[in-house]
Amino acid sequence: QVQLQESGPGLVKPSQTLSLTCTVSGGSISSGSYYWSWIRQPAGKGLEWIGRIYTSGSTNYNPSLKSRVTISVDTSKNQFSLKLSSVTAADTAVYYCAGWELAYYFDYWGQGTLVTVSS
Amino acid sequence: QSALTQPASVSGSPGQSITISCTGTSSDVGGYNYVSWYQQHPGKAPKLMIYEVSNRPSGVPDRFSGSKSGNTASLTISGLQAEDEADYYCSSYTSSSIGVFGGGTKLTVL
Repeated sequence: QVQLQESGPGLVKPSQTLSLTCTVSGGSISSGSYYWSWIRQPAGKGLEWIGRIYTSGSTNYNPSLKSRVTISVDTSKNQFSLKLSSVTAADTAVYYCAGWELAYYFDYWGQGTLVTVSS
Repeated sequence: QSALTQPASVSGSPGQSITISCTGTSSDVGGYNYVSWYQQHPGKAPKLMIYEVSNRPSGVPDRFSGSKSGNTASLTISGLQAEDEADYYCSSYTSSSIGVFGGGTKLTVL
């Protein structure tokens, strides 16, 4: 059973870079079975797809965030990461990492981590 | 990429059936059979309920079913139970090789 766990600072200052890591356990991140993805959810609002990475390193990002987002993978640590630059209060949200099946559905989710952007 | 359109809320009494719609375009819902549905209880991560339009993962009750017609997908819950009260989100693959979610629907079991 694949499990995912997000980690990273819960508080980030405006204009700085938000950095989160997702650790995958119970399976190899290099299995080729998933696109490893990030999703976020502001309080009281809906889910927003941020982007995904395949084990080859290929990425796709939400066009609305593309200029600020980088997703990378570290196969040696079985982890993938999210960096979001130039953050503002609008980036305050619960951030989830998830495994997006090759048939484009999320069947494994992390528990989510709240990131607050505030000075 | 615009979010898929879902009704903000639906409600039903125990035992009844409800349907939640999810409307997109020919570049997402209408163009692919890659529509999925998620249930989210407060403070919890979303849970996959339906994938590839109408398939149920192991462990999801057969009271949950999905379908699609044109650019609109639907989730139907029959025999409503109190524990079904939650937020529901649809999602689709898109022609831009990215995913998109619906705005979410709050289901209230009266």
